[in-house]
Amino acid sequence: GQQLNQSPQSMFIQEGEDVSMNCTSSSIFNTWLWYKQDPGEGPVLLIALYKAGELTSNGRLTAQFGITRKDSFLNISASIPSDVGIYFCAGPHYGGSQGNLIFGKGTKLSVKP
Amino acid sequence: EAEVAQSPRYKITEKSQAVAFWCDPISGHATLYWYRQILGQGPELLVQFQDESVVDDSQLPKDRFSAERLKGVDSTLKIQPAELGDSAMYLCASSPGLAGSYNEQFFGPGTRLTVL
Repeated sequence: GQQLNQSPQSMFIQEGEDVSMNCTSSSIFNTWLWYKQDPGEGPVLLIALYKAGELTSNGRLTAQFGITRKDSFLNISASIPSDVGIYFCAGPHYGGSQGNLIFGKGTKLSVKP
Repeated sequence: EAEVAQSPRYKITEKSQAVAFWCDPISGHATLYWYRQILGQGPELLVQFQDESVVDDSQLPKDRFSAERLKGVDSTLKIQPAELGDSAMYLCASSPGLAGSYNEQFFGPGTRLTVL
């Protein structure tokens, strides 16, 4: 079945540093999504990517849709303490009922002030 | 700003007891999803509704889990009897689009279930 592999599993960085994380799959996705989840809350959509090669920014966040359609990258520039949380990549599942999402296991980000 | 509402936020129960979770999607959203998120993992779909109809419940453990969306608006997820392995965050999401196509999903705050 479709699976999403995220790396790294966790990151400990200093405030002000840039962050890079990625998501890969053995199968093609036509949409890539990046969510952030704060402790005890539901995921919130950060960026959605719909086209291979697409590069999209949302403030200090930039995400790219890999040209093979099997990977995506998320970069955070000049990290701040409120960037702490778990970042998930996700994509729509096309094996059965279309539209529901498959999630990776997440990258946990910790930022030292 | 419209949000997905869930209650309760936290639930502690003993194994073999029955529990129920409630979700009120964003007004007008036709599609509703229930996900389960085990600690350290990403959310996994349990059931998907299009209005009042179940579109996908292939991952729902039907011997103990049930879900309904009787009037096509709010939804209830029930577990009976609860088992220790059911401890997880239960997330509800809604989407304005129809099942069968991707539309942005908006998540509620979740219900954290602990089974003792």
